[in-house]
Amino acid sequence: GAVVSQHPSRVICKSGTSVKIECRSLDFQATTMFWYRQFPKQSLMLMATSNEGSKATYEQGVEKDKFLINHASLTLSTLTVTSAHPEDSSFYICSASAVPFFGQGTRLTVV
Amino acid sequence: QKEVEQNSGPLSVPEGAIASLNCTYSDRGSQSFFWYRQYSGKSPELIMFIYSNGDKEDGRFTAQLNKASQYVSLLIRDSQPSDSATYLCAVKDSNYQLIWGAGTKLIIKP
Repeated sequence: GAVVSQHPSRVICKSGTSVKIECRSLDFQATTMFWYRQFPKQSLMLMATSNEGSKATYEQGVEKDKFLINHASLTLSTLTVTSAHPEDSSFYICSASAVPFFGQGTRLTVV
Repeated sequence: QKEVEQNSGPLSVPEGAIASLNCTYSDRGSQSFFWYRQYSGKSPELIMFIYSNGDKEDGRFTAQLNKASQYVSLLIRDSQPSDSATYLCAVKDSNYQLIWGAGTKLIIKP
């Protein structure tokens, strides 16, 4: 199946700083990638759809100025959590391809 | 609102038995159906997908789709303790949007 690589797998940052998470499609080109967030013992929540060469589409309730998405190439999408706060601590996961495959996920802890 | 529903469980099954996981969906125009396994602290991994009515088998796993009744199920034969995880059902609806179930926690007891 398609390979999606996500980096970093784990990050701890101070409150108020920004964190960038990368999602790469390794063996295929992805015009669309998806960013999810998952809190403990809860299901996946779609945050936004990342579109190569155009603006991302954000789900209702997700602040686009806080969660910046850039999809500059057919193999890379980035999610930047700006001015992170402890409530942003979560598991962030990206996916891509028509049959959705997921990256490894990024565990973000804001202290 | 389009929905995908799963029993949250936990579903407890003895080792070696068949585990049966069910999922229902509301959009009759849904086209494709996916089962994922998610271990605690890990991202979901695709088990299998199905598009057509009937059964699709892959090793110990069988997906069953019944579009008339709007349900899709996953059977795991010869259940192993390593199968203990949360199983997520996802459905691509008539607008090609992926709708997720909340997941069923499966526990395989040795």
